[in-house]
Amino acid sequence: QVQLVESGGGVVQPGRSLRPSCAASGFTFNTYAMNWVRQAPGEGLEWVAIISRDGSKKYYADSVKGRFTISRDNSKNTLYLQMTGLRVEDTAVYYCAVEGFDIWGQGTMVTVSS
Amino acid sequence: QSALTQPPSASGSPGQSVTISCTGTSSDVGGYNYVSWYQQHPGKAPKLMIYEVSKRPSGVPDRFSGSKSGNTASLTVSGLQADDEADYYCSSYAGSNNYVFGTGTKVTVL
Repeated sequence: QVQLVESGGGVVQPGRSLRPSCAASGFTFNTYAMNWVRQAPGEGLEWVAIISRDGSKKYYADSVKGRFTISRDNSKNTLYLQMTGLRVEDTAVYYCAVEGFDIWGQGTMVTVSS
Repeated sequence: QSALTQPPSASGSPGQSVTISCTGTSSDVGGYNYVSWYQQHPGKAPKLMIYEVSKRPSGVPDRFSGSKSGNTASLTVSGLQADDEADYYCSSYAGSNNYVFGTGTKVTVL
């Protein structure tokens, strides 16, 4: 069945890096743009980034521009989010979602704390 | 990009209807017919309920309907059921390959 499974979250100190990933299955991954969306504890959803089908175009929310990099490996059906210079306010569940936001993963928790 | 504005809460009795608003600007909600609505139960991932203002994905009951007027979109849930109790979020395309979500509304079935 169609599925997105995130992994790679964890607890990190401010200023450090982390790279969660999202494994896709059950659909033709390289025919869809992909998004990352995050949700801080007790808060609403925030769009983070989108990457085109072939990975050539990438767009970011202002809150993460210059610190986060979205990428994909279509040979592995996997989406990534390289997060650097992490801040306490980046603490959230990070979801991957297919371009129309009709398919979501279960999320991976990223906690930034000293 | 500022979040779209939704009321914090809404409620109704079983069988009744509830309508949630989502207010943006001419740069997002008012400028594009790409408004979506999501249902999120506690601890779960969001689920797409409405896309392109008023279209329902396969499997979503027709009790859920969407509309838009100017810079404000609305989601109506008719014939409220216990399982409709959840958080609801809107989203809109905001131009330049950016998206914006709403602040969220907690729907309570009395």
